Amino acid sequence: QVQLQESGPGLVKPSETLSLTCTVSGGSISNYYWTWIRQPPGKGLEWIGYIYYTGSTNYNPSLKSRVTISVDKSKNQFSLNLNSVTAADTAVYYCARLVGASWAFDLWGQGTMVTVSS
Amino acid sequence: EFVLTQSPATLSLSPGERATLTCRASQSVNSYFAWYQQKPGQAPRLLIYDASKRATGIPARFSGSGSGTDFTLTISSLEPEDFAVYYCQQRSHWLTYTFGQGTKLEIK
Repeated sequence: QVQLQESGPGLVKPSETLSLTCTVSGGSISNYYWTWIRQPPGKGLEWIGYIYYTGSTNYNPSLKSRVTISVDKSKNQFSLNLNSVTAADTAVYYCARLVGASWAFDLWGQGTMVTVSS
Repeated sequence: EFVLTQSPATLSLSPGERATLTCRASQSVNSYFAWYQQKPGQAPRLLIYDASKRATGIPARFSGSGSGTDFTLTISSLEPEDFAVYYCQQRSHWLTYTFGQGTKLEIK
């Protein structure tokens, strides 16, 4: 079955760029939307943005100026870059699949904790 | 700003009881409405999509209803594994996604 796995540094310094990759295994990245969602410790979920396999994107307006999501179909991966990070960006970051028919997130990675600290 | 407000924040019930969780949108929304369950240390799991359709593998004791601004998740008879945090989620007209703040369902 299709599985998602996040990877990337667990510690990022303030003002630097947070970079994460999600690898899709057991299925193709084509014909779906792929998204990033984060959850600060002890808090709720925040949608960051999505990318369609063709490369079109849509971002949370509150993060839009700092976010870039890209896709690499040859590697069956998509990535998140969040620049100018602060402690407020400390969170568990999840990648997830967004189903176009229902606009719900039906598959999730296990999540990766990213801490912003010097 | 589009906001989803869940109530109650915490719900204390016993196994076998019926749970009713609600989510209210700040403005009328379409039917692209979902519910998720999250257990400690785990990723959320999709329970309900399109307001009332159960996702694959979700037991029949979970049901969703609602339209407009008011949506409900009902668990007909609580099992021990149902105690978790539940989130509602909506796609806005501007193709952005919002989650409610969550309802913690705890054992009484």
